[in-house]
Amino acid sequence: GQQLNQSPQSMFIQEGEDVSMNCTSSSIFNTWLWYKQDPGEGPVLLIALYKAGELTSNGRLTAQFGITRKDSFLNISASIPSDVGIYFCAGPGLIFGGTSYGKLTFGQGTILTVHP
Amino acid sequence: DVKVTQSSRYLVKRTGEKVFLECVQDMDHENMFWYRQDPGLGLRLIYFSYDVKMKEKGDIPEGYSVSREKKERFSLILESASTNQTSMYLCASSPGWERYNEQFFGPGTRLTVL
Repeated sequence: GQQLNQSPQSMFIQEGEDVSMNCTSSSIFNTWLWYKQDPGEGPVLLIALYKAGELTSNGRLTAQFGITRKDSFLNISASIPSDVGIYFCAGPGLIFGGTSYGKLTFGQGTILTVHP
Repeated sequence: DVKVTQSSRYLVKRTGEKVFLECVQDMDHENMFWYRQDPGLGLRLIYFSYDVKMKEKGDIPEGYSVSREKKERFSLILESASTNQTSMYLCASSPGWERYNEQFFGPGTRLTVL
């Protein structure tokens, strides 16, 4: 089956620092998504990417759809304490019957800790 | 804003009990999903549904069943709860048209089976 490798697994940074994380796939994706999960809550969709090479921002967050279509990157600039959480990448699962019905494969997540 | 709600945030049940987890979305989404999330194992898909009364097994359907009688509601059923089903359960929905990969999650139900 498809696999997503997300790195790093965890990050400990100081407030104000920039953060970078990435995700690689064993197969080509036509969509990449990035989610954030706060402790005890459900994941929240941050950014969706649909085109190879696409660069999309959401406030201090910027995500890129890799040119090879097998990777994606998420950057957070000038981190603040509320950036703490788990960040997941995700992409469409295997196709059956002509559509994936939105079935996603998720990375294992990057745990971000921000020290004030 | 898409809103996905789950019937309980925390639930404690005994081994052997039948457990119902309810999920409701208010955005007329075609697709609905049930996941469980465990430390070190990430998000694992249990079942999903792409239409009323339609259901498909995900990666870990054993011990679970689902029901989708109305478009907005997707229920997860544990026929006979066991301690290894203690977990965080997350429901999600996505539209059936061009942005069908954009899943929106509920707040989760933390289920403890004693």
